Amino acid sequence: DAMVIQNPRYQVTQFGKPVTLSCSQTLNHNVMYWYQQKSSQAPKLLFHYYDKDFNNEADTPDNFQSRRPNTSFCFLDIRSPGLGDAAMYLCATSRDKGGAYNEQFFGPGTRLTVL
Amino acid sequence: AQKVTQAQTEISVVEKEDVTLDCVYETRDTTYYLFWYKQPPSGELVFLIRRNSFDEQNEISGRYSWNFQKSTSSFNFTITASQVVDSAVYFCALSEPRLAGGTSYGKLTFGQGTILTVHP
Repeated sequence: DAMVIQNPRYQVTQFGKPVTLSCSQTLNHNVMYWYQQKSSQAPKLLFHYYDKDFNNEADTPDNFQSRRPNTSFCFLDIRSPGLGDAAMYLCATSRDKGGAYNEQFFGPGTRLTVL
Repeated sequence: AQKVTQAQTEISVVEKEDVTLDCVYETRDTTYYLFWYKQPPSGELVFLIRRNSFDEQNEISGRYSWNFQKSTSSFNFTITASQVVDSAVYFCALSEPRLAGGTSYGKLTFGQGTILTVHP
Protein backbone atom coordinates (compact mmCIF):
# COMPACT_ATOMS: atom_id res chain seq x y z
CA ASP A 1 0.00 0.00 0.00
CA ALA A 2 1.08 3.56 -0.63
CA MET A 3 2.27 5.10 2.57
CA VAL A 4 4.62 7.30 4.55
CA ILE A 5 7.52 5.42 6.09
CA GLN A 6 9.79 6.65 8.85
CA ASN A 7 13.06 5.12 9.95
CA PRO A 8 14.08 4.33 12.51
CA ARG A 9 11.00 4.07 14.73
CA TYR A 10 13.14 4.61 17.82
CA GLN A 11 16.39 6.55 17.95
CA VAL A 12 18.65 7.10 20.91
CA THR A 13 21.39 9.70 20.73
CA GLN A 14 23.70 11.45 23.11
CA PHE A 15 23.52 15.06 24.13
CA GLY A 16 25.16 17.09 21.38
CA LYS A 17 25.66 14.20 18.95
CA PRO A 18 24.14 14.91 15.52
CA VAL A 19 21.29 12.68 14.48
CA THR A 20 19.36 12.19 11.24
CA LEU A 21 15.81 10.94 10.93
CA SER A 22 14.47 9.79 7.59
CA CYS A 23 11.10 9.77 5.89
CA SER A 24 10.05 8.26 2.59
CA GLN A 25 6.75 8.25 0.77
CA THR A 26 5.20 6.28 -2.05
CA LEU A 27 2.28 8.69 -2.50
CA ASN A 28 4.20 10.91 -4.94
CA HIS A 29 3.05 13.99 -3.02
CA ASN A 30 4.80 17.27 -3.64
CA VAL A 31 4.53 18.57 -0.10
CA MET A 32 6.34 17.03 2.85
CA TYR A 33 6.17 18.22 6.45
CA TRP A 34 8.12 17.60 9.65
CA TYR A 35 6.39 17.92 13.00
CA GLN A 36 7.68 17.67 16.54
CA GLN A 37 5.35 16.15 19.11
CA LYS A 38 6.42 16.21 22.74
CA SER A 39 4.83 13.95 25.28
CA SER A 40 1.11 14.65 25.76
CA GLN A 41 1.27 17.65 23.45
CA ALA A 42 -0.04 18.51 20.02
CA PRO A 43 2.20 18.13 16.97
CA LYS A 44 4.04 21.31 16.10
CA LEU A 45 5.10 22.10 12.56
CA LEU A 46 8.85 22.60 12.15
CA PHE A 47 9.08 23.11 8.38
CA HIS A 48 7.81 21.85 5.08
CA TYR A 49 8.97 21.32 1.52
CA TYR A 50 7.01 22.13 -1.60
CA ASP A 51 8.99 20.09 -4.10
CA LYS A 52 12.53 21.27 -3.37
CA ASP A 53 11.47 24.61 -1.90
CA PHE A 54 12.18 24.62 1.81
CA ASN A 55 9.97 26.66 4.15
CA ASN A 56 10.92 27.11 7.77
CA GLU A 57 8.46 28.04 10.51
CA ALA A 58 9.51 31.25 12.25
CA ASP A 59 9.94 29.62 15.65
CA THR A 60 11.85 26.52 14.52
CA PRO A 61 15.28 26.50 16.18
CA ASP A 62 18.37 26.68 13.97
CA ASN A 63 19.42 23.37 15.43
CA PHE A 64 16.91 21.69 13.11
CA GLN A 65 17.70 21.34 9.43
CA SER A 66 16.16 19.34 6.62
CA ARG A 67 17.09 17.89 3.25
CA ARG A 68 14.94 16.60 0.44
CA PRO A 69 17.10 14.98 -2.22
CA ASN A 70 14.13 13.80 -4.30
CA THR A 71 10.33 13.61 -4.22
CA SER A 72 10.30 10.41 -2.20
CA PHE A 73 12.74 11.15 0.60
CA CYS A 74 13.08 13.79 3.26
CA PHE A 75 15.54 13.97 6.17
CA LEU A 76 15.48 15.79 9.47
CA ASP A 77 18.90 16.66 10.85
CA ILE A 78 19.32 17.73 14.45
CA ARG A 79 22.80 19.22 14.64
CA SER A 80 23.30 19.26 18.40
CA PRO A 81 20.45 17.53 20.20
CA GLY A 82 19.57 18.78 23.63
CA LEU A 83 17.48 17.12 26.29
CA GLY A 84 14.59 19.33 25.24
CA ASP A 85 14.62 17.82 21.75
CA ALA A 86 13.47 14.45 23.00
CA ALA A 87 10.14 13.95 21.26
CA MET A 88 8.24 12.07 18.61
CA TYR A 89 9.05 13.38 15.14
CA LEU A 90 6.30 12.97 12.59
CA CYS A 91 6.64 13.21 8.84
CA ALA A 92 3.60 13.99 6.72
CA THR A 93 2.78 14.53 3.06
CA SER A 94 -0.01 16.17 1.12
CA ARG A 95 -1.00 16.75 -2.47
CA ASP A 96 0.18 19.99 -4.01
CA LYS A 97 -3.07 21.34 -5.34
CA GLY A 98 -5.66 22.66 -2.95
CA GLY A 99 -3.35 24.01 -0.28
CA ALA A 100 -5.09 24.13 3.07
CA TYR A 101 -7.89 21.87 1.80
CA ASN A 102 -5.78 18.76 1.48
CA GLU A 103 -5.48 16.32 4.32
CA GLN A 104 -2.03 15.31 5.41
CA PHE A 105 -0.87 11.70 5.47
CA PHE A 106 1.31 10.89 8.43
CA GLY A 107 4.03 8.36 9.04
CA PRO A 108 4.25 6.39 12.29
CA GLY A 109 6.87 8.73 13.73
CA THR A 110 10.36 8.37 15.14
CA ARG A 111 10.67 8.58 18.90
CA LEU A 112 13.93 10.33 19.75
CA THR A 113 15.58 9.88 23.13
CA VAL A 114 18.48 12.12 24.12
CA LEU A 115 20.77 10.84 26.86
CA ALA B 1 -3.83 34.13 16.12
CA GLN B 2 -5.27 30.75 15.29
CA LYS B 3 -6.01 28.45 18.19
CA VAL B 4 -7.74 25.13 18.75
CA THR B 5 -8.99 24.11 22.17
CA GLN B 6 -9.95 20.62 23.18
CA ALA B 7 -11.06 21.09 26.75
CA GLN B 8 -11.40 17.38 27.51
CA THR B 9 -7.98 15.97 28.28
CA GLU B 10 -9.15 12.43 28.92
CA ILE B 11 -12.44 10.60 28.54
CA SER B 12 -13.17 7.11 29.73
CA VAL B 13 -16.28 5.19 28.66
CA VAL B 14 -17.56 1.67 28.62
CA GLU B 15 -18.06 -0.08 25.33
CA LYS B 16 -21.32 0.76 23.52
CA GLU B 17 -21.63 4.15 25.19
CA ASP B 18 -21.86 7.24 23.00
CA VAL B 19 -19.13 9.82 23.47
CA THR B 20 -18.68 13.38 22.21
CA LEU B 21 -15.31 15.05 21.83
CA ASP B 22 -15.42 18.84 21.92
CA CYS B 23 -13.40 21.21 19.77
CA VAL B 24 -13.47 25.00 19.76
CA TYR B 25 -11.35 27.08 17.40
CA GLU B 26 -10.30 30.67 16.84
CA THR B 27 -9.24 32.20 13.56
CA ARG B 28 -9.38 35.50 11.72
CA ASP B 29 -9.45 33.83 8.32
CA THR B 30 -12.75 33.60 6.48
CA THR B 31 -11.58 30.55 4.56
CA TYR B 32 -10.30 27.69 6.63
CA TYR B 33 -10.66 23.96 7.05
CA LEU B 34 -11.24 21.86 10.12
CA PHE B 35 -9.98 18.33 10.53
CA TRP B 36 -10.18 15.49 12.98
CA TYR B 37 -7.30 13.04 13.23
CA LYS B 38 -7.02 9.84 15.27
CA GLN B 39 -3.67 8.84 16.79
CA PRO B 40 -3.73 5.19 17.90
CA PRO B 41 -0.95 3.77 20.09
CA SER B 42 1.05 2.92 16.96
CA GLY B 43 1.71 6.64 16.54
CA GLU B 44 0.62 7.71 13.06
CA LEU B 45 -2.15 10.26 12.79
CA VAL B 46 -5.04 9.02 10.71
CA PHE B 47 -7.28 11.46 8.85
CA LEU B 48 -10.96 11.15 9.77
CA ILE B 49 -12.88 14.14 8.44
CA ARG B 50 -12.50 17.55 6.82
CA ARG B 51 -14.93 20.47 6.86
CA ASN B 52 -14.53 23.79 5.09
CA SER B 53 -15.64 27.06 6.63
CA PHE B 54 -18.49 27.49 4.17
CA ASP B 55 -20.11 24.12 4.75
CA GLU B 56 -21.94 23.78 8.05
CA GLN B 57 -23.75 20.64 7.08
CA ASN B 58 -23.30 17.93 9.66
CA GLU B 59 -21.85 14.64 8.53
CA ILE B 60 -22.32 11.05 9.53
CA SER B 61 -20.00 8.20 8.60
CA GLY B 62 -20.95 4.93 10.18
CA ARG B 63 -20.64 5.32 13.94
CA TYR B 64 -18.93 8.70 13.55
CA SER B 65 -20.70 12.04 13.25
CA TRP B 66 -19.52 15.62 13.26
CA ASN B 67 -21.35 18.79 14.26
CA PHE B 68 -19.90 22.01 12.84
CA GLN B 69 -21.37 25.23 14.22
CA LYS B 70 -19.76 28.38 12.95
CA SER B 71 -21.78 30.57 15.34
CA THR B 72 -20.03 28.97 18.32
CA SER B 73 -16.77 28.15 16.49
CA SER B 74 -17.16 24.52 17.39
CA PHE B 75 -16.54 21.29 15.52
CA ASN B 76 -17.56 18.43 17.78
CA PHE B 77 -17.09 14.75 17.09
CA THR B 78 -19.44 12.01 18.33
CA ILE B 79 -18.77 8.31 18.35
CA THR B 80 -21.93 6.24 18.69
CA ALA B 81 -21.79 2.81 20.32
CA SER B 82 -18.09 3.10 21.10
CA GLN B 83 -15.79 0.11 20.72
CA VAL B 84 -12.46 -0.79 22.30
CA VAL B 85 -10.76 -0.15 18.96
CA ASP B 86 -11.83 3.50 19.22
CA SER B 87 -9.34 3.98 22.06
CA ALA B 88 -6.82 6.56 20.85
CA VAL B 89 -5.88 10.20 21.08
CA TYR B 90 -8.11 12.38 18.93
CA PHE B 91 -6.89 15.69 17.58
CA CYS B 92 -8.95 18.49 16.17
CA ALA B 93 -6.99 20.70 13.79
CA LEU B 94 -7.46 23.97 11.95
CA SER B 95 -5.89 24.38 8.52
CA GLU B 96 -5.42 27.86 7.19
CA PRO B 97 -4.12 28.80 3.79
CA ARG B 98 -0.63 30.20 3.89
CA LEU B 99 1.75 31.31 1.17
CA ALA B 100 5.40 30.39 1.11
CA GLY B 101 7.72 30.71 -1.82
CA GLY B 102 4.79 31.54 -4.07
CA THR B 103 2.89 28.37 -3.31
CA SER B 104 -0.07 27.73 -1.07
CA TYR B 105 0.02 25.21 1.73
CA GLY B 106 -2.10 24.33 4.70
CA LYS B 107 -0.69 25.18 8.10
CA LEU B 108 -2.25 22.83 10.62
CA THR B 109 -2.81 24.05 14.15
CA PHE B 110 -3.69 21.15 16.40
CA GLY B 111 -5.61 21.10 19.64
CA GLN B 112 -4.02 19.44 22.64
CA GLY B 113 -5.82 16.19 21.93
CA THR B 114 -8.34 14.12 23.87
CA ILE B 115 -7.33 10.70 25.13
CA LEU B 116 -10.28 8.37 24.69
CA THR B 117 -10.27 5.06 26.51
CA VAL B 118 -13.05 2.59 25.81
CA HIS B 119 -13.28 -0.22 28.32
CA PRO B 120 -14.79 -3.60 27.45
